[in-house]
Amino acid sequence: DTGVSQDPRHKITKRGQNVTFRCDPISEHNRLYWYRQTLGQGPEFLTYFQNEAQLEKSRLLSDRFSAERPKGSFSTLEIQRTEQGDSAMYLCASSLPRDRGISEQYFGPGTRLTVT
Amino acid sequence: AQTVTQSQPEMSVQEAETVTLSCTYDTSESDYYLFWYKQPPSRQMILVIRQEAYKQQNATENRFSVNFQKAAKSFSLKISDSQLGDAAMYFCAYLYGQDDKIIFGKGTRLHILP
Repeated sequence: DTGVSQDPRHKITKRGQNVTFRCDPISEHNRLYWYRQTLGQGPEFLTYFQNEAQLEKSRLLSDRFSAERPKGSFSTLEIQRTEQGDSAMYLCASSLPRDRGISEQYFGPGTRLTVT
Repeated sequence: AQTVTQSQPEMSVQEAETVTLSCTYDTSESDYYLFWYKQPPSRQMILVIRQEAYKQQNATENRFSVNFQKAAKSFSLKISDSQLGDAAMYFCAYLYGQDDKIIFGKGTRLHILP
């Protein structure tokens, strides 16, 4: 399978605990995006990387959230001191840089987080 | 600020019939792209069709076509000969900027009636 993969697919945690999600992009894609999707809503942009550099963070990404992409390969998204409002589907997408024209973002299956 | 609005939370269509999903957007940008994504239940989001804003010709992909009205900032999706496998959430999306950030609408859940 050469698509975008995410791990775990489901995570249930208690409020106040820390969680970490992993995203493995398509191997030749140097752009990686994180989105959050709550029930009944479309995905919302959280942050993105070009290679290992985190180039933009949404205001949705509070101080409790941190993302990394060491060596420009896989990425992790950590949420510290989880709150019930963090319950959502966390989606990862990857793409090639836009040299000319549009570059399609390929989405992973997502990690569904439930905070109890 | 850029926004994407899908005014139809749910729609139903008889199998083999045609259905149109509506989308409007707001932007002051001149260079952008519009998409329709499909998200089947518990499955990955996949791109259905894309439209470059600078192109006047409406995009078509097999049974899927769009009606892009740039002046009206409207971007509807037409699905012809609906199939059971078309049942999914459909998201209208807008992409802008060199960072290729995407703004999604809230989605339309499409039911296919056998």
